[in-house]
Amino acid sequence: DGGITQSPKYLFRKEGQNVTLSCEQNLNHDAMYWYRQDPGQGLRLIYYSQIVNDFQKGDIAEGYSVSREKKESFPLTVTSAQKNPTAFYLCASSPEPGHYSGANVLTFGAGSRLTVL
Amino acid sequence: GENVEQHPSTLSVQEGDSAVIKCTYSDSASNYFPWYKQELGKGPQLIIDIRSNVGEKKDQRIAVTLNKTAKHFSLHITETQPEDSAVYFCAARLRDQGGKLIFGQGTELSVKP
Repeated sequence: DGGITQSPKYLFRKEGQNVTLSCEQNLNHDAMYWYRQDPGQGLRLIYYSQIVNDFQKGDIAEGYSVSREKKESFPLTVTSAQKNPTAFYLCASSPEPGHYSGANVLTFGAGSRLTVL
Repeated sequence: GENVEQHPSTLSVQEGDSAVIKCTYSDSASNYFPWYKQELGKGPQLIIDIRSNVGEKKDQRIAVTLNKTAKHFSLHITETQPEDSAVYFCAARLRDQGGKLIFGQGTELSVKP
């Protein structure tokens, strides 16, 4: 079955450590996204990538980094510079870059919950 | 930039009743409005969407209405069932913004048997 796989599902981190969240999709989608979910705040965009080897900052990119070396993979690194990293992180993909179409549908992974101890 | 406000934050209904969730958006250039359902411990899933050239769309017990003049859109669920219990998110997408969706804050719907 096609879909998006995020790992790990749960992750604990000590303050000052960098962690990397994995996101892999086998949907052959061009665009991929990382969202952060906090209670009562909806989903906020961290980074997105419309094509391999290219990505753009979203609304809350500070303290995060990404790479897009392969079409299928879009890992997110939460660095020690992120002041409040405890959150639920969601990866998503869509078939094509949005500005080429009137609309596109996001497919989400199951999420990764990061807790900083 | 675009801002999406969603109300209410929590909603409790009896099984069989209807539920309505409302969202407003700020940018009149928004042209696509999806609704996502998120069950506990899972990622959101698209349940229905509407484009700016349509005023209403229905899919079985779920319907979405769009009022472009007032810049608001609503999700209507009829004959609610316990399995409808979840968090629902609305979103809006600006035209030509690389697929970026701006999400509302979410509504936690509880359907009591």
